[in-house]
Amino acid sequence: ETGVTQTPRHLVMGMTNKKSLKCEQHLGHNAMYWYKQSAKKPLELMFVYNFKEQTENNSVPSRFSPECPNSSHLFLHLHTLQPEDSALYLCASSPGQGDPVTEAFFGQGTRLTVV
Amino acid sequence: AQTVTQSQPEMSVQEAETVTLSCTYDTSENNYYLFWYKQPPSRQMILVIRQEAYKQQNATENRFSVNFQKAAKSFSLKISDSQLGDTAMYFCAFMKHPTNIIQGAQKLVFGQGTRLTINP
Repeated sequence: ETGVTQTPRHLVMGMTNKKSLKCEQHLGHNAMYWYKQSAKKPLELMFVYNFKEQTENNSVPSRFSPECPNSSHLFLHLHTLQPEDSALYLCASSPGQGDPVTEAFFGQGTRLTVV
Repeated sequence: AQTVTQSQPEMSVQEAETVTLSCTYDTSENNYYLFWYKQPPSRQMILVIRQEAYKQQNATENRFSVNFQKAAKSFSLKISDSQLGDTAMYFCAFMKHPTNIIQGAQKLVFGQGTRLTINP
């Protein structure tokens, strides 16, 4: 248990569905991240939030919509996804200020399958 | 842009042996950090060890140590006395020093990973 909790752990959705992934951290961190982990590809940074403000969007398609209502919660809203979006989605958090060497803490991920 | 390369997709050793995982990276930055993360079957990424680029001394954490060669842009991980619980995916990651420490988010660039299996 690293203090970053993701729900659900597994999700199967059709291409016309709308669903949301949730991430919650209890570490008092100010920065939160979404990463995508596909088979045989490096983890890809999708979005970065720092102090609730989005500071990075790595050319992610608009069918992925992040939301950060406060520093403890991060959502990823999904709609009209494609089968190639099937992957493990990892949430992480880090202090976001001060000592930059402190590592990012990851959740256990949501395994998403788009059918 | 930074890139991280792990050239060994899979490795397998016997319990108690020593194993070294390779990682090279490409960057024009001078101030940065390097990490090794472990991802067991539970899928949770766990930090194994980290290295600050400005430190010449190689980082060590119990059975885990690194060989950091800044000029060669190489960052290998050595696991001594390997244990069954070390079986996992291992990812090398790069992070450049945040330009603003007050609001410095950590953007990690990962390698493709090495699947390590420790056999009994």
